[in-house]
Amino acid sequence: QVQLQESGPGLVKPSQTLSLTCTVSGGSISSGGYYWSWIRQHPGKGLEWIGYIYYIGSTYYNPSLKSRVTLSVDTSNDQFSLKLSSVTAADTAVYYCARLNSDYFDFWGQGTLVTVSS
Amino acid sequence: EIVLTQSPATLSLSPGERATLSCRASQSVGRYLAWYQQKPGQAPRLLISAASNRATGIPPRFSGSGSGTDFTLTISTLEPEDFAVYYCQQRSNWWTFGQGTKVEIK
Repeated sequence: QVQLQESGPGLVKPSQTLSLTCTVSGGSISSGGYYWSWIRQHPGKGLEWIGYIYYIGSTYYNPSLKSRVTLSVDTSNDQFSLKLSSVTAADTAVYYCARLNSDYFDFWGQGTLVTVSS
Repeated sequence: EIVLTQSPATLSLSPGERATLSCRASQSVGRYLAWYQQKPGQAPRLLISAASNRATGIPPRFSGSGSGTDFTLTISTLEPEDFAVYYCQQRSNWWTFGQGTKVEIK
């Protein structure tokens, strides 16, 4: 059973860069066939896909966030990471990492709340 | 961007009743439609993929149907653990979700 776990600071100051890491267990990122994604959920709101990274490093981002998002992958540690620059209060959300099985997200992390505040 | 519109926003039902949730796409998504269940404080859980395929471990009381622009998630007999928020999701140029339907206890 694949498991994902997010980690990173829960509080980020405005204009700084939000950084999160997702650690995958129960399966290898390098096995291929899946895309490793970040999704966020604003408090009390719906879900927004941020982007994905494939194990070879290719990426695809939500156009609305593309200018501020960078995803990276560390296959040796089965981790992938999110960086979101120039954050504002509007970036306060629960951030999930998830495995994208081409069309749908079949495994999710538990989520981590990131608050943007000075 | 393809917009998914879910209705109703809230569905008030009693355990044992049948729940019918709707998801409408602003343009055709074929059968590339998935459904998720989310309970408070938890991550979404995949229920249905490809419009009608139940995910592993999902009980048969959950069923999905539809294609093109109109999709339905049906819970045949509501169990106490089914009261939650349900989201539909599509993939086209990228992946988007509906705004959710809350199934609450009447």
